[in-house]
Amino acid sequence: EDQVTQSPEALRLQEGESSSLNCSYTVSGLRGLFWYRQDPGKGPEFLFTLYSAGEEKEKERLKATLTKKESFLHITAPKPEDSATYLCAVRNAGNMLTFGGGTRLMVKP
Amino acid sequence: DSGVTQTPKHLITATGQRVTLRCSPRSGDLSVYWYQQSLDQGLQFLIHYYNGEERAKGNILERFSAQQFPDLHSELNLSSLELGDSALYFCASSRAVGGEAFFGQGTRLTVV
Repeated sequence: EDQVTQSPEALRLQEGESSSLNCSYTVSGLRGLFWYRQDPGKGPEFLFTLYSAGEEKEKERLKATLTKKESFLHITAPKPEDSATYLCAVRNAGNMLTFGGGTRLMVKP
Repeated sequence: DSGVTQTPKHLITATGQRVTLRCSPRSGDLSVYWYQQSLDQGLQFLIHYYNGEERAKGNILERFSAQQFPDLHSELNLSSLELGDSALYFCASSRAVGGEAFFGQGTRLTVV
């Protein structure tokens, strides 16, 4: 059974304080690792797709990286508007998308 | 706006009742996924349809069923509702069987 574990569960940062979120996974035949951002009561918003170890993607203050067992979402100089829950998901060879529990990020001004 | 439309946004119903949730995928997307999100369990995969055919099933209860119609919209039917079925139900769509999935804004179901 595929498993996705995200840590920490919650993270409080001061504005401008860079940090990283972790996503550890086990999956039968990785067909992609996905990062999403979710605001309270809203649908997850797609951020990145990574397909192979060593791959990196960047978007504004966010950078996602992938190894064979985990992915990191690096947040550089975060702003209060980056506060949200960040979700990691893996797609397996059977096309099932399994989500982790998420990391709730709070950025204080 | 992801382009995925879900209706209704909110639904309040009594135990034992049956409801239908509707999803219109992004234009051109053939895949539709359904997820349930409750406070204590995160996002749980329910079912995946591709171009009208069921492709994968997750932890979907026998009381729940879904279908995808020729115009590619999808419906999730929930019957014999229980209090524990209260949750946010999300639909997502993607171009093909794989690839990134884009989510709708969800239907918040409250069973009283």
